[in-house]
Amino acid sequence: DAGVTQSPTHLIKTRGQQVTLRCSPKSGHDTVSWYQQALGQGPQFIFQYYEEEERQRGNFPDRFSGHQFPNYSSELNVNALLLGDSALYLCASSQGDEQFFGPGTRLTVL
Amino acid sequence: QKEVEQNSGPLSVPEGAIASLNCTYSDRGSQSFFWYRQYSGKSPELIMFIYSNGDKEDGRFTAQLNKASQYVSLLIRDSQPSDSATYLCAVRSGGSYIPTFGRGTSLIVHP
Repeated sequence: DAGVTQSPTHLIKTRGQQVTLRCSPKSGHDTVSWYQQALGQGPQFIFQYYEEEERQRGNFPDRFSGHQFPNYSSELNVNALLLGDSALYLCASSQGDEQFFGPGTRLTVL
Repeated sequence: QKEVEQNSGPLSVPEGAIASLNCTYSDRGSQSFFWYRQYSGKSPELIMFIYSNGDKEDGRFTAQLNKASQYVSLLIRDSQPSDSATYLCAVRSGGSYIPTFGRGTSLIVHP
């Protein structure tokens, strides 16, 4: 039973560029949430997708957008990258209250 | 603003001791409480969750919840060097699908 998977593992971009991160949920899970984690901080909620709709959104600008596909996999898109977007991006899947995290994508913006 | 507070540490305990990690939260309507372990450079791993006042035990881990005082704690018995990690507390309020995370407490278990 595969857990949550994310790609790519690492990514280096320059300011102003756009990036797409991908996530496949754990088998049987229909809900995907995205988090940003800066060094030394707890994960900050970006948004959650359920039934291909954005169900809840955190305090992130519109540069952050996402999508959920019929197979429950999800993408996170970030436009006009800033240096401050450098962080570990985590995807978590859930069916109910318990969330399980993927290994994350380390994004570095130069 | 819903707040979840943790002492960032580090908390240093000798091998075999009990490690006690604490977390306070601001929203009295909170319903679900989670503890995650995060090793350096890795993603968080769910280790315990608790919904009701009192204690919940799972192996060497015990979660304690006191809603009246708005705190939740995690006890790790017989601490091992492999328990050295950052422990994240997460609290979900009623009406939200998403828990709010604290910034984590760094635990160091020394031989």
